[in-house]
Amino acid sequence: GQNIDQPTEMTATEGAIVQINCTYQTSGFNGLFWYQQHAGEAPTFLSYNVLDGLEEKGRFSSFLSRSKGYSYLLLKELQMKDSASYLCAVRDSSTDKLIFGTGTRLQVFP
Amino acid sequence: GAVVSQHPSRVICKSGTSVKIECRSLDFQATTMFWYRQFPKQSLMLMATSNEGSKATYEQGVEKDKFLINHASLTLSTLTVTSAHPEDSSFYICSALDRGWERSYGYTFGSGTRLTVV
Repeated sequence: GQNIDQPTEMTATEGAIVQINCTYQTSGFNGLFWYQQHAGEAPTFLSYNVLDGLEEKGRFSSFLSRSKGYSYLLLKELQMKDSASYLCAVRDSSTDKLIFGTGTRLQVFP
Repeated sequence: GAVVSQHPSRVICKSGTSVKIECRSLDFQATTMFWYRQFPKQSLMLMATSNEGSKATYEQGVEKDKFLINHASLTLSTLTVTSAHPEDSSFYICSALDRGWERSYGYTFGSGTRLTVV
């Protein structure tokens, strides 16, 4: 079975750094995705990790440890527009299904 | 880039009627399409996987007779919610898999359909 957990809600201040964690237990693993989603809209692709380590892309970075079943998304220099839900999703190695985590609602305050 | 067009974006229907949602891949062939449902303040829940030319595979707990999926061509998949009830009100979203697309590592999402059953 699949079990992908994230904190439900987080708050942070504009200009700060926030780390959103994702832990997973899956039967087959072929990469982990992070998406940003604003209410009523489609998810927007942020990052993809398939090997251990850190992937940096501007203000956003994503880390993966396959042995620990753990990933995090790091957001730097937070802006008000970063207030959104952040979803991690694991790709199943045999079916290519994307299974989403519980999602984290981030609120950025001035 | 890869684009998936999903229609309608919003629909209100009466209880007991059926609603069809379409997803079209505009500039690529989607051999596989995934259908998700999202309730307010929750994450995306996978409902089913459709492959062109074959029967859809449904996730546990999803009624295949209620949520009819057709993937008759490489660019079109449809989800029909039959005999809709208020508890079917949700945000439905499709995702097309294009294994040749590198930017988003293959997954392109439709813009979603907000279904309200009254």
